[in-house]
Amino acid sequence: TQLLEQSPQFLSIQEGENLTVYCNSSSVFSSLQWYRQEPGEGPVLLVTVVTGGEVKKLKRLTFQFGDARKDSSLHITAAQPGDTGLYLCAGAPADSGNTPLVFGKGTRLSVIA
Amino acid sequence: NAGVMQNPRHLVRRRGQEARLRCSPMKGHSHVYWYRQLPEEGLKFMVYLQKENIIDESGMPKERFSAEFPKEGPSILRIQQVVRGDSAAYFCASAGQGANSPLHFGNGTRLTVT
Repeated sequence: TQLLEQSPQFLSIQEGENLTVYCNSSSVFSSLQWYRQEPGEGPVLLVTVVTGGEVKKLKRLTFQFGDARKDSSLHITAAQPGDTGLYLCAGAPADSGNTPLVFGKGTRLSVIA
Repeated sequence: NAGVMQNPRHLVRRRGQEARLRCSPMKGHSHVYWYRQLPEEGLKFMVYLQKENIIDESGMPKERFSAEFPKEGPSILRIQQVVRGDSAAYFCASAGQGANSPLHFGNGTRLTVT
């Protein structure tokens, strides 16, 4: 069973601060996706990383895929209240083509104005 | 994610009743996934379907739960004889072809069993 561990589970910061959240596994993934979910809604895809060592930027968000494709991080610069939400990472296992995405439990971020 | 339509948004059932959850995938998507989410938890995979076929149902309880995705019409997740432990948010997602195709989620059905 492929498990994705996300840390921290909860994070509360002041507006303008920087933060990093992590997604780790002992398994190799062919790709990792990050989603953000707001209360009462479904998750929305932020980014997909495919290549080991890949870095992708989305405005103030920077996503990195580990060299060994077992872990990923999300760094937010100058957090804003609109960044508040549940951040989920999800991986496509490398050893099975049809295996559905495996989700971590998420990091619940609260940005206080 | 507005392209994936789920209904109803909220469903209340008494213990022992049946719950039917519907999902219409995004236009052009033929892959449908059902996930369950409990408060403070991530998404747990239940079942993966393509048109008229169940591809992977390894996450779905063997009893009381069933899913279908007919040639015409929405995908249906059916829970018979619901129990309080079935209370959760059920999310449907659809995807196009390709191993790395992202999932597009609906806004979920929140099932409450009283």
